[in-house]
Amino acid sequence: DSGVTQTPKHLITATGQRVTLRCSPRSGDLSVYWYQQSLDQGLQFLIQYYNGEERAKGNILERFSAQQFPDLHSELNLSSLELGDSALYFCASSVRGASGEETQYFGPGTRLLVL
Amino acid sequence: AQRVTQPEKLLSVFKGAPVELKCNYSYSGSPELFWYVQYSRQRLQLLLRHISRESIKGFTADLNKGETSFHLKKPFAQEEDSAMYYCALRTGNNRKLIWGLGTSLAVNP
Repeated sequence: DSGVTQTPKHLITATGQRVTLRCSPRSGDLSVYWYQQSLDQGLQFLIQYYNGEERAKGNILERFSAQQFPDLHSELNLSSLELGDSALYFCASSVRGASGEETQYFGPGTRLLVL
Repeated sequence: AQRVTQPEKLLSVFKGAPVELKCNYSYSGSPELFWYVQYSRQRLQLLLRHISRESIKGFTADLNKGETSFHLKKPFAQEEDSAMYYCALRTGNNRKLIWGLGTSLAVNP
Protein backbone atom coordinates (compact mmCIF):
# COMPACT_ATOMS: atom_id res chain seq x y z
CA ASP A 1 0.00 0.00 0.00
CA SER A 2 1.57 3.25 -1.16
CA GLY A 3 -0.52 5.40 1.17
CA VAL A 4 -2.28 7.25 -1.65
CA THR A 5 -6.02 6.78 -1.49
CA GLN A 6 -8.65 7.37 -4.12
CA THR A 7 -12.42 7.40 -3.97
CA PRO A 8 -14.62 6.07 -5.32
CA LYS A 9 -13.21 2.77 -6.53
CA HIS A 10 -15.80 2.41 -9.25
CA LEU A 11 -18.13 4.88 -10.86
CA ILE A 12 -20.82 4.22 -13.45
CA THR A 13 -22.58 7.17 -14.99
CA ALA A 14 -24.27 8.34 -18.17
CA THR A 15 -23.10 10.51 -21.03
CA GLY A 16 -23.45 14.20 -20.37
CA GLN A 17 -23.06 13.83 -16.63
CA ARG A 18 -20.43 15.25 -14.33
CA VAL A 19 -18.38 13.36 -11.77
CA THR A 20 -15.74 14.18 -9.17
CA LEU A 21 -12.86 11.90 -8.33
CA ARG A 22 -11.00 12.36 -5.11
CA CYS A 23 -7.40 11.71 -4.14
CA SER A 24 -5.58 11.92 -0.83
CA PRO A 25 -1.79 11.97 -1.18
CA ARG A 26 0.66 10.35 1.18
CA SER A 27 1.26 12.27 4.35
CA GLY A 28 3.80 14.99 3.67
CA ASP A 29 3.70 14.76 -0.13
CA LEU A 30 3.00 18.14 -1.68
CA SER A 31 2.67 17.07 -5.31
CA VAL A 32 -0.36 15.36 -6.77
CA TYR A 33 -0.58 14.04 -10.30
CA TRP A 34 -3.59 12.80 -12.23
CA TYR A 35 -3.40 10.20 -14.99
CA GLN A 36 -5.87 8.56 -17.32
CA GLN A 37 -5.30 4.97 -18.36
CA SER A 38 -7.36 3.60 -21.20
CA LEU A 39 -6.84 0.46 -23.25
CA ASP A 40 -5.95 2.19 -26.47
CA GLN A 41 -4.04 5.18 -25.12
CA GLY A 42 -2.03 3.72 -22.28
CA LEU A 43 -1.15 5.98 -19.37
CA GLN A 44 -1.71 9.65 -20.10
CA PHE A 45 -0.58 12.42 -17.79
CA LEU A 46 -3.38 14.90 -17.18
CA ILE A 47 -2.27 17.49 -14.65
CA GLN A 48 -0.02 18.11 -11.66
CA TYR A 49 -0.55 20.24 -8.58
CA TYR A 50 2.07 21.27 -6.09
CA ASN A 51 1.05 22.67 -2.72
CA GLY A 52 -2.26 23.91 -4.04
CA GLU A 53 -1.05 25.36 -7.32
CA GLU A 54 -1.11 23.95 -10.82
CA ARG A 55 2.44 22.96 -11.78
CA ALA A 56 2.17 21.14 -15.09
CA LYS A 57 -0.50 20.30 -17.60
CA GLY A 58 -0.65 17.34 -19.91
CA ASN A 59 -3.32 16.01 -22.21
CA ILE A 60 -6.22 17.27 -20.15
CA LEU A 61 -9.44 18.12 -21.95
CA GLU A 62 -11.18 21.42 -21.35
CA ARG A 63 -14.14 19.46 -19.98
CA PHE A 64 -11.87 18.26 -17.19
CA SER A 65 -10.57 20.33 -14.32
CA ALA A 66 -8.76 19.69 -11.08
CA GLN A 67 -7.82 21.43 -7.88
CA GLN A 68 -5.74 20.81 -4.81
CA PHE A 69 -7.06 21.95 -1.48
CA PRO A 70 -5.21 23.38 1.53
CA ASP A 71 -5.17 19.94 3.16
CA LEU A 72 -3.44 18.74 -0.04
CA HIS A 73 -6.16 16.38 -1.18
CA SER A 74 -7.10 16.80 -4.80
CA GLU A 75 -10.21 16.44 -6.89
CA LEU A 76 -10.54 15.78 -10.59
CA ASN A 77 -13.80 17.00 -12.10
CA LEU A 78 -14.98 15.45 -15.34
CA SER A 79 -17.96 17.08 -17.03
CA SER A 80 -20.10 16.54 -20.14
CA LEU A 81 -18.94 12.96 -20.03
CA GLU A 82 -18.56 10.99 -23.23
CA LEU A 83 -18.28 7.26 -23.81
CA GLY A 84 -14.60 7.69 -24.57
CA ASP A 85 -13.95 9.04 -21.08
CA SER A 86 -14.39 5.54 -19.70
CA ALA A 87 -11.01 4.68 -18.24
CA LEU A 88 -9.04 4.11 -15.08
CA TYR A 89 -8.03 7.38 -13.44
CA PHE A 90 -4.96 7.29 -11.27
CA CYS A 91 -3.68 9.77 -8.79
CA ALA A 92 -0.06 9.82 -7.64
CA SER A 93 1.82 11.84 -5.08
CA SER A 94 5.53 12.36 -4.97
CA VAL A 95 8.38 12.93 -2.63
CA ARG A 96 11.87 14.12 -3.33
CA GLY A 97 14.64 11.98 -1.90
CA ALA A 98 17.86 13.08 -0.24
CA SER A 99 19.71 12.92 -3.55
CA GLY A 100 17.09 15.01 -5.26
CA GLU A 101 15.44 12.14 -7.06
CA GLU A 102 11.65 12.11 -7.11
CA THR A 103 9.45 9.05 -6.76
CA GLN A 104 5.77 8.96 -7.61
CA TYR A 105 3.50 6.77 -5.52
CA PHE A 106 0.27 5.72 -7.14
CA GLY A 107 -3.19 5.25 -5.75
CA PRO A 108 -5.37 2.25 -6.63
CA GLY A 109 -7.30 4.21 -9.24
CA THR A 110 -10.94 4.98 -9.92
CA ARG A 111 -12.57 3.01 -12.68
CA LEU A 112 -15.03 5.17 -14.56
CA LEU A 113 -17.59 3.68 -16.90
CA VAL A 114 -19.69 6.04 -18.99
CA LEU A 115 -22.77 4.43 -20.50
CA ALA B 1 9.22 16.13 -29.37
CA GLN B 2 9.74 14.21 -26.17
CA ARG B 3 8.47 10.71 -26.51
CA VAL B 4 8.78 7.24 -25.02
CA THR B 5 8.31 4.22 -27.22
CA GLN B 6 7.71 0.70 -26.03
CA PRO B 7 7.51 -1.22 -29.29
CA GLU B 8 6.03 -4.41 -27.86
CA LYS B 9 2.47 -4.38 -26.57
CA LEU B 10 2.75 -7.97 -25.44
CA LEU B 11 5.74 -10.13 -24.65
CA SER B 12 5.33 -13.78 -23.86
CA VAL B 13 8.18 -15.93 -22.53
CA PHE B 14 8.61 -19.20 -20.71
CA LYS B 15 9.68 -19.41 -17.09
CA GLY B 16 13.44 -19.39 -16.80
CA ALA B 17 13.96 -17.69 -20.14
CA PRO B 18 15.69 -14.32 -20.42
CA VAL B 19 13.43 -11.35 -20.93
CA GLU B 20 14.06 -7.91 -22.36
CA LEU B 21 11.41 -5.21 -22.45
CA LYS B 22 12.38 -2.48 -24.85
CA CYS B 23 12.13 1.21 -24.21
CA ASN B 24 13.37 3.98 -26.48
CA TYR B 25 13.10 7.65 -25.76
CA SER B 26 13.31 10.86 -27.69
CA TYR B 27 14.90 13.77 -25.84
CA SER B 28 17.88 15.92 -26.67
CA GLY B 29 18.90 16.76 -23.11
CA SER B 30 19.83 14.72 -20.08
CA PRO B 31 16.97 12.32 -19.29
CA GLU B 32 15.76 10.67 -16.13
CA LEU B 33 14.30 7.27 -16.89
CA PHE B 34 12.11 4.96 -14.88
CA TRP B 35 10.44 1.59 -15.10
CA TYR B 36 7.09 1.19 -13.36
CA VAL B 37 5.26 -2.11 -12.94
CA GLN B 38 1.57 -2.87 -12.48
CA TYR B 39 0.72 -6.36 -11.27
CA SER B 40 -2.78 -7.68 -11.78
CA ARG B 41 -5.29 -5.78 -9.64
CA GLN B 42 -2.55 -3.74 -7.99
CA ARG B 43 -1.49 -0.15 -8.32
CA LEU B 44 1.39 1.11 -10.38
CA GLN B 45 4.66 1.06 -8.49
CA LEU B 46 8.18 2.15 -9.22
CA LEU B 47 10.42 -0.75 -10.22
CA LEU B 48 13.66 1.05 -10.81
CA ARG B 49 15.22 4.30 -11.98
CA HIS B 50 18.35 4.69 -14.03
CA ILE B 51 20.16 7.00 -11.62
CA SER B 52 20.05 4.40 -8.86
CA ARG B 53 21.77 1.73 -10.98
CA GLU B 54 20.01 -0.85 -8.85
CA SER B 55 18.67 -4.32 -9.47
CA ILE B 56 15.15 -4.91 -8.24
CA LYS B 57 13.57 -8.38 -8.28
CA GLY B 58 16.37 -9.44 -10.60
CA PHE B 59 15.59 -6.72 -13.15
CA THR B 60 18.20 -4.28 -14.39
CA ALA B 61 18.08 -1.48 -16.92
CA ASP B 62 20.96 0.44 -18.40
CA LEU B 63 20.64 3.84 -19.95
CA ASN B 64 22.23 3.88 -23.39
CA LYS B 65 22.39 7.50 -24.47
CA GLY B 66 23.85 6.62 -27.86
CA GLU B 67 20.89 4.43 -28.71
CA THR B 68 18.48 6.48 -26.57
CA SER B 69 17.30 3.29 -24.93
CA PHE B 70 16.53 2.06 -21.44
CA HIS B 71 15.69 -1.60 -21.92
CA LEU B 72 14.59 -3.65 -18.92
CA LYS B 73 16.25 -7.04 -18.59
CA LYS B 74 16.06 -10.11 -16.44
CA PRO B 75 18.14 -13.22 -17.09
CA PHE B 76 15.59 -15.75 -15.80
CA ALA B 77 11.92 -14.78 -15.88
CA GLN B 78 9.58 -15.98 -13.14
CA GLU B 79 5.81 -16.44 -13.34
CA GLU B 80 5.32 -13.72 -10.74
CA ASP B 81 6.97 -11.26 -13.14
CA SER B 82 3.82 -11.34 -15.27
CA ALA B 83 2.57 -7.77 -15.23
CA MET B 84 2.28 -4.57 -17.20
CA TYR B 85 5.53 -2.64 -17.45
CA TYR B 86 5.75 1.06 -18.23
CA CYS B 87 8.81 3.03 -19.17
CA ALA B 88 8.73 6.73 -18.25
CA LEU B 89 10.90 9.74 -19.02
CA ARG B 90 11.32 12.91 -17.01
CA THR B 91 13.03 15.80 -18.73
CA GLY B 92 14.95 18.60 -17.06
CA ASN B 93 13.27 20.35 -14.17
CA ASN B 94 9.80 19.66 -15.46
CA ARG B 95 8.15 17.24 -13.08
CA LYS B 96 5.98 15.82 -15.82
CA LEU B 97 6.61 12.19 -16.65
CA ILE B 98 6.20 11.09 -20.22
CA TRP B 99 4.98 7.53 -20.43
CA GLY B 100 5.26 4.73 -22.90
CA LEU B 101 2.14 2.74 -23.74
CA GLY B 102 3.34 -0.20 -21.71
CA THR B 103 4.31 -3.78 -22.40
CA SER B 104 2.33 -6.65 -20.99
CA LEU B 105 4.70 -9.42 -19.94
CA ALA B 106 3.32 -12.93 -19.68
CA VAL B 107 5.61 -15.55 -18.19
CA ASN B 108 4.32 -19.01 -18.95
CA PRO B 109 5.05 -22.09 -16.83
